[in-house]
Formats: sequence, structure tokens, C-alpha cells
Amino acid sequence: GEDVEQSLFLSVREGDSSVINCTYTDSSSTYLYWYKQEPGAGLQLLTYIFSNMDMKQDQRLTVLLNKKDKHLSLRIADTQTGDSAIYFCAEATGNQFYFGTGTSLTVIP
Amino acid sequence: DAGVIQSPRHEVTEMGQEVTLRCKPISGHDYLFWYRQTMMRGLELLIYFNNNVPIDDSGMPEDRFSAKMPNASFSTLKIQPSEPRDSAVYFCASSLSSGDGYTFGSGTRLTVV
Repeated sequence: GEDVEQSLFLSVREGDSSVINCTYTDSSSTYLYWYKQEPGAGLQLLTYIFSNMDMKQDQRLTVLLNKKDKHLSLRIADTQTGDSAIYFCAEATGNQFYFGTGTSLTVIP
Repeated sequence: DAGVIQSPRHEVTEMGQEVTLRCKPISGHDYLFWYRQTMMRGLELLIYFNNNVPIDDSGMPEDRFSAKMPNASFSTLKIQPSEPRDSAVYFCASSLSSGDGYTFGSGTRLTVV
């Protein structure tokens, strides 16, 4: 399968911005996604970006895509304690998704 | 729509027993995926179906695992016989087509003792 890599942990203070990074290997990916997983729950689709875009903003979420470097990031503005969760990036190649290892975000009050 | 529905939410069984996990995808979705999540290996795709037909089962760990999709609204993942190393959270997901994103169920937490 394709390699999708993320750092494992991130801690931020409440009210600060969080930036979660992801790198992928398949340059033919058509869509890239961010999912959020809260404890004991399934993965929830947060946002996605089409590969011909370089930025997408949705309220507190900003997705940046650098296709040349195969780098995807998710910025969460004004991070709240409710944002504490594991965040997965995923790339879609054809009908299959390849998920990263997930980044565990801890928000410190 | 109630989303992707999985049952049971939790399953505890003894080694050697048969385990059946169930999934009801979102109505109209023509792709269905089974994933396994563990701390050590993260999310692993086990198998996926398109229009009830298994397309890729290369992620199924071994012959003890089998999956079926007898109709568009139901799929099962069976483990027989179960082993302690099968303990994990098993997720079912469905999608309409690539690009739409998957919708995940809440998962079944399986513990084999």
C-alpha cells in the first residue's frame, strides 16, 4: 500500500492554533482527507481537499496541500478541549483509502 | 439516515470460539469496507466490497477470517476460530464512490481471552 505518515503526538494550549502534518507518497491521489476519532468512537470525516486545490478553509479548520512535496496539513484555530482526539489523514487512490498512523492531539486547559 | 450501524458494540469471547461481526451500510452506498484498528498496527483494511462483490481481500490476515455481503444492506465478518491476537476494534465503513469519503460505523471492540 501507499505510505502515509504523521507524527504521533501533539500538545497545544487551549486557544492556540494546532497544526497537524501529514506526508504521503502517491502523486496520483485524487482526494486527501482528514478524519477525527474521539475515544471509543469511529472515525468522523472532518474535511477533504481535491488534489488540484492548495487550500481549503472551513470555519476553524484550514487544510493546506503542497502537492509538489506531497505534504498535507490541518490547522485548527482557537483549539478547544473538545478538539482533543486522534486525527488521521488519508489519501484516496482509486477506490481505496490509505490512512496515516494518526496524530493524538492533547489540548491543555 | 442512521449512518453505518455495527453490532455488537462489544464482544468478549473465549479463544477458539466463532465470532460474527455485523454491519449495515448507509442505504445507497455501493462500497463497503472492513477495517481493523490496533495500537500496534493502526488501521488496516481487511476487505472491501463493491455492489456486494468482494473486490480486494488481500488484507484478510488468514483463512480464519471470512467476510460476506449477501445483499446491499448487510455484511458480516466472521472469525473462526478466534485467537487472542484478534483482539481489536473492527470498523465497517461505506461510501457512495471514491471522493465522497467513507462513513464509519462506531466499531465493534472484540476481546478474545
